[in-house]
Amino acid sequence: SQLAEENPWALSVHEGESVTVNCSYKTSITALQWYRQKSGEGPAQLILIRSNEREKRNGRLRATLDTSSQSSSLSITATRCEDTAVYFCADNTNTGKLTFGDGTVLTVKP
Amino acid sequence: GALVYQYPRRTICKSGTSMRMECQAVGFQATSVAWYRQSPQKTFELIALSTVNSAIKYEQNFTQEKFPISHPNLSFSSMTVLNAYLEDRGLYLCGARVMGFQNTLYFGAGTRLSVL
Repeated sequence: SQLAEENPWALSVHEGESVTVNCSYKTSITALQWYRQKSGEGPAQLILIRSNEREKRNGRLRATLDTSSQSSSLSITATRCEDTAVYFCADNTNTGKLTFGDGTVLTVKP
Repeated sequence: GALVYQYPRRTICKSGTSMRMECQAVGFQATSVAWYRQSPQKTFELIALSTVNSAIKYEQNFTQEKFPISHPNLSFSSMTVLNAYLEDRGLYLCGARVMGFQNTLYFGAGTRLSVL
């Protein structure tokens, strides 16, 4: 079973709107990562948030981490068409493995 | 930034045949390489983790006999899918770790395998 799960499965917004993707995980983690995969490409890391951090920002992106509820969120403000992609959370465990969730498909319409 | 090239981008093979895919780290040394398979539904399966100077660790349901991996140096890895069948279809992704950034995987664009 997936150790990390995103919700919702799919989202659609218009350019300029903000959007939030959520993720829940089931094991103890050292860090939680958000990746984005555009069509025809491999996943690319957006943000890494460590287990002792509560919030991390990267430009229009903001990630939060709540270790008590084992959840994370990724918010994108002022979305653009090029933000259209599948967004994955991935958890790092002490084993060094990176386990991906099933992803959230985000479509940003003009 | 770290660049990872995978070759070929797409391949079609007949059922029961084998195909080899390559992963090249450009401009950096990859301390370890993780091979994943991504299904058409976008889910990831970790096949194996290959670390320099260590044995290759295969995940459950994946074996060296089926997915032999070669990792001869810090910039190159290859994996072969032996006796490919329909269930082996998918996008095979190579993710490389950079020394000093052990938590981050830099992925190539993948090799898409279709099996006839």
